[in-house]
Amino acid sequence: DAKTTQPNSMESNEEEPVHLPCNHSTISGTDYIHWYRQLPSQGPEYVIHGLTSNVNNRMASLAIAEDRKSSTLILHRATLRDAAVYYCILIKGNAGGTSYGKLTFGQGTILTVHP
Amino acid sequence: DTGVSQDPRHKITKRGQNVTFRCDPISEHNRLYWYRQTLGQGPEFLTYFQNEAQLEKSRLLSDRFSAERPKGSFSTLEIQRTEQGDSAMYLCASSLQLTGATEGKQYFGPGTRLTVL
Repeated sequence: DAKTTQPNSMESNEEEPVHLPCNHSTISGTDYIHWYRQLPSQGPEYVIHGLTSNVNNRMASLAIAEDRKSSTLILHRATLRDAAVYYCILIKGNAGGTSYGKLTFGQGTILTVHP
Repeated sequence: DTGVSQDPRHKITKRGQNVTFRCDPISEHNRLYWYRQTLGQGPEFLTYFQNEAQLEKSRLLSDRFSAERPKGSFSTLEIQRTEQGDSAMYLCASSLQLTGATEGKQYFGPGTRLTVL
């Protein structure tokens, strides 16, 4: 299985943008890039996912490098509520587009947001 | 959408006892997953069901662990003869996986924290 590499921790100030990087140099053509986050004392929650093109939703944006060997999760204006562990996860898809489903979590990036 | 619920939220048991956890997924979701998370680590996959069929089990799931999902609705995870190393947060997640759909985002419950004394 392709692995992901993330920084152990990052810090940000409230209302500033945050760019969380993820390296996945051994990604295969059918791997989807998913991001989940886990707030303190809660289960993980889905943030965003993509395959090749950049993606936006109400929570964040996902920028995927042209060679797909890296991606960046962008929080446009960090809030104190965004303080969490962020996980970048690759999920295998198939030719039909169905993703395999099992999530393989790494250590993630601990994001600290300062008021 | 009431979300994924898990019961109990906390369980303290003595080594050697059996424990059972329950997970109620989001009602229309056909996939159900169990994960285990120890302090400071990311969740680790244990097993998953598609409807009532258990399709994959991790090597982490020793013979003392068993999971069921009768009728494809709620699921139970039982640990027999608990050991101190079983102390962890046990997380359940569910998803709706449609053939050909790219989305399979998982919705997690709050977890059951197990402490084995």
